[in-house]
Amino acid sequence: DAKTTQPTSMDCAEGRAANLPCNHSTISGNEYVYWYRQIHSQGPQYIIHGLKNNETNEMASLIITEDRKSSTLILPHATLRDTAVYYCIVEDYGQNFVFGPGTRLSVLP
Amino acid sequence: ETGVTQTPRHLVMGMTNKKSLKCEQHLGHNAMYWYKQSAKKPLELMFVYNFKEQTENNSVPSRFSPECPNSSHLFLHLHTLQPEDSALYLCASSQGPDSGRYNEQFFGPGTRLTVL
Repeated sequence: DAKTTQPTSMDCAEGRAANLPCNHSTISGNEYVYWYRQIHSQGPQYIIHGLKNNETNEMASLIITEDRKSSTLILPHATLRDTAVYYCIVEDYGQNFVFGPGTRLSVLP
Repeated sequence: ETGVTQTPRHLVMGMTNKKSLKCEQHLGHNAMYWYKQSAKKPLELMFVYNFKEQTENNSVPSRFSPECPNSSHLFLHLHTLQPEDSALYLCASSQGPDSGRYNEQFFGPGTRLTVL
């Protein structure tokens, strides 16, 4: 079973920030938080990952709480092309990913 | 372009047919994966190969037979499938658990399989 819980769906207005939450209350010290997204009928795409510190790249920012029991993926200026299912995955180094149902983000014009 | 290619992109087959799905990665990775994604379901891990050796078989029926001749190629041989096997089959690759790095996976575009 997936070790994370995410809202089933979210809406976001185009041009606004999309904040996608993820709960991982049983995370252990060696486990990373990964985010992927899957645009309709395509393969999942890696977005970002982190262990303890907040991370930022050209696609998104990842905010991890100090106790590491939850995180938030931030898309700073959502576009229509960001409409996708977003997966939050918690896995230890060397283990295999377990995908949950994810959050279906709809970016609205 | 992720560096992982899959062929064919679409496949329709009868229950008595034998077909194969092909995956190739151009990333120099050591681990390769097959996932199944049925309609409105999460991705399910099927098989994992690390340095050409199968390290995971997630209770997959024997009508699915994987083959990994080298670290760059992965096949999924299909025979006597059922209509419920219709799904998107995704291949992925990563550096592998022995690489000393986090295990980011790169996915191919998938093969959309329909079993009649």
